[in-house]
This record gives sequence, structure tokens and C-alpha cells, in this order.
Amino acid sequence: QSALTQPASVSGSPGQSITISCTGTSSDVGGYNYVSWYQQYPGKAPKLMIYEVSNRPSGISNRFSGSKSGNTASLTISGLQAEDEADYYCSSYTSSTPLYVFGTGTKVTVL
Amino acid sequence: EVQLVQSGAEVKKPGESLKISCKGSGYSFTSYWIGWVRQMPGKGLEWMGIIYPGNSETRYSPSFQGHVTISADKSLSTAYLQWSSLKASDTAMYYCARLSMTIDYWGQGTLVTVSS
Repeated sequence: QSALTQPASVSGSPGQSITISCTGTSSDVGGYNYVSWYQQYPGKAPKLMIYEVSNRPSGISNRFSGSKSGNTASLTISGLQAEDEADYYCSSYTSSTPLYVFGTGTKVTVL
Repeated sequence: EVQLVQSGAEVKKPGESLKISCKGSGYSFTSYWIGWVRQMPGKGLEWMGIIYPGNSETRYSPSFQGHVTISADKSLSTAYLQWSSLKASDTAMYYCARLSMTIDYWGQGTLVTVSS
């Protein structure tokens, strides 16, 4: 079971938009609409930002949006703010045990 | 309010055994899978395995099969992750998480340090 592929780092200036990709296979990202995105600050537990490809939990800013095309999912952060500087992980349901797989993680830097 | 509360940080020596816990509250503990996630220092998130407390069905990631044991006591609404013989390479933060086709709730994490 291989991790989903994310860019190691993405950066942007305040107010800009950035997009983080998450590439898998037809056995995970491409096969199911169960892609989630998590934000993690250093020393803290991850926090759910997007679920089922494009849905935002209650309380999550609409600056965060998700999409999917084929085997690649994407997280877009618009109107980038200093507080968005964190690590971001995607996750997908997969047909392989143990049924879930994470992405490699992306460090977002606000310039 | 859904909560997953994990046991406190542990410092152990190589070769020692350890069992850490994750207590769920605010929901039907037997109706959701619970997963364990490892995060080594400065590294990413890794799925270790999942358990369904309703019937104790367990699935392990191939990388962790045979190295850890995941269990649950539904009478205590608690899931466990245990090692029989720790190694220095087990030093990491361990999170439990509730699964409902996504991870919607996380525990606060348990830091395990293995050092001689």
C-alpha cells in the first residue's frame, strides 16, 4: 500500500490562492469519492478540512475547497492567510487493507 | 460532544511492553471504526490499522502487521494499541481517530519515547 503523492511544499503570498494536489490510483482516489483533507499545526492533532472530495465540515472557512479529477484530488486555499501556514494531508478510502491511505503531506508557507 | 481521549505520554526502554488507550465518548462507540495513526518525529501520517469495536474486526497495514496489536473493550468504550517489545524506532506520536468514511474526530495524541 503506497502513500498518495503530494508536493512536499507549496507557498504563496497573503491573499493569493494555492492548490495542493494528491495523486493516487484507481484503487483509492480514482475509485471512490472518499477523499479528505487535514490541516496539522506543529505538535497538534490533524483537523478535518474537507471530506468526501469537496464537502466542508461545519466551522471550516469557505476559503478551503476540494475537487477531484481522475486519480488526482486537489485542495485549494483562496485568500491565503498567515494562519493557513501548516502541514496538509490528504487521505482516501482504498480497496487495500487497512482501507485508508494518507498522502505524503504538504507544507504550506505563507510568504 | 464526540471526544477521543488518549492516555498520557510514555517513556520506555527497548524491549519493554506498552499498551496505550483511546476512550471514546459522546457517540455509539460500537458503531464506528477506530483507527491508529503513527507520526514519527518530523514525518508524515501513517495508518497502522483499524478496529470495529462492535465485533472487534481488525485490519492492519502490512507495515505494522505482527509488530503491534490493536484491540478494544466495548464495555469501557476504549480502544488499545500495544507492543510486546518496543524498539527505539517506535518513538513517535500515536493518534487514534474515529472513522466514518473519513476521519472526523481525532484523539489528542500519545507521545511514546523509547530510549535506553
